[in-house]
Amino acid sequence: DTEVTQTPKHLVMGMTNKKSLKCEQHMGHRAMYWYKQKAKKPPELMFVYSYEKLSINESVPSRFSPECPNSSLLNLHLHALQPEDSALYLCASSQLPGQDTGELFFGEGSRLTVL
Amino acid sequence: GEDVEQSLFLSVREGDSSVINCTYTDSSSTYLYWYKQEPGAGLQLLTYIFSNMDMKQDQRLTVLLNKKDKHLSLRIADTQTGDSAIYFCAERPTTTDSWGKLQFGAGTQVVVTP
Repeated sequence: DTEVTQTPKHLVMGMTNKKSLKCEQHMGHRAMYWYKQKAKKPPELMFVYSYEKLSINESVPSRFSPECPNSSLLNLHLHALQPEDSALYLCASSQLPGQDTGELFFGEGSRLTVL
Repeated sequence: GEDVEQSLFLSVREGDSSVINCTYTDSSSTYLYWYKQEPGAGLQLLTYIFSNMDMKQDQRLTVLLNKKDKHLSLRIADTQTGDSAIYFCAERPTTTDSWGKLQFGAGTQVVVTP
């Protein structure tokens, strides 16, 4: 199984809503990532978890709250978002440095629209 | 931070070869990657090259690495309409506090015309 599964594929929410994005992988990877991608732009790193602990937070606003319940799951909790947060949110996973070639495996993304 | 640069657009005729170029600045990178992204989809790893290699070939794909000039290229032979996508090059830093921060280029939009 070389898949990273993200749900939902599409999400529309108002600025006062609370919602969550979910990501799952069963490749035994111990690093998981959240990226934000705007149209025609490269992905921008938001968070990195290694061994279920947050290791990198790229100064992301607190209205985005990541959670890693176990080594296979990664959530992104959303609250009080702004219209400019509308984007494709990509989850990825990888082995840790030195364990293999280090490539990231990406999910298909969750397309978020904030009204 | 380190910058990875790519040309933004490439138009190629079906059956011709495509060459996508990338320059990077972090001389300590160990692995360099090429990802493909089709509209509305996630990023798909196409191939990678280790920094001590000069070339890697995988079916229609050839990766060339010039470490002296920090230049990476991806050649796609016999380009097909299904190759139309955005192609990102990326490097993985080796510093302890940056290992998780894959550096992506801006992406090259490849359009294949019949």
